[in-house]
Amino acid sequence: GAGVSQTPSNKVTEKGKYVELRCDPISGHTALYWYRQSLGQGPEFLIYFQGTGAADDSGLPNDRFFAVRPEGSVSTLKIQRTERGDSAMYLCASSLRGGVPGTEAFFGQGTRLTVV
Amino acid sequence: TQLLEQSPQFLSIQEGENLTVYCNSSSVFSSLQWYRQEPGEGPVLLVTVVTGGEVKKLKRLTFQFGDARKDSSLHITAAQPGDTGLYLCAYRNTGGFKTIFGAGTRLFVKA
Repeated sequence: GAGVSQTPSNKVTEKGKYVELRCDPISGHTALYWYRQSLGQGPEFLIYFQGTGAADDSGLPNDRFFAVRPEGSVSTLKIQRTERGDSAMYLCASSLRGGVPGTEAFFGQGTRLTVV
Repeated sequence: TQLLEQSPQFLSIQEGENLTVYCNSSSVFSSLQWYRQEPGEGPVLLVTVVTGGEVKKLKRLTFQFGDARKDSSLHITAAQPGDTGLYLCAYRNTGGFKTIFGAGTRLFVKA
């Protein structure tokens, strides 16, 4: 596709359940980022991949959150034992390369996660 | 992490009015970015300002970077309902791979 694609667009899950959120970056983009946006706030950085490896996962809030990008393209954000406080919009972005000044990151439409 | 403070938090105006929103910090930045995020969408980059005192125009939007590179403003002339959205200022971290956002100004333009 032409842009960053995230699925599902909406996810409602029960407290304690496991969820997976998927991100398809723009073809050829080696850098991929996950952000979380709570209501009334700006996006907060979670994790950055350059290729297959997580170059910086300092934004992941705790060990219930994990992300993978096994083939350097599609990425999955995994949340175990979900809590109501995990409810937020989860945004994915990609760029041609990370760490290059002037390289724009393009965002997907996000996955709205609601934990009930 | 350097803090970006955006004001006002919320602004509701009539179509045709002018407005200015602000992004302030006590830190100096090599550049600042402005994004617009519409409901149900991801943020879209509008502009990057790099030089202190720089003014950039994008149709009815005028962006200014403070002389000391600590603050920025966005002025919209003759606002239209299509300008409705969340306006976010942001900067890139030293390594350039992480974008740090302010909390945003939520603008609503009534027809």
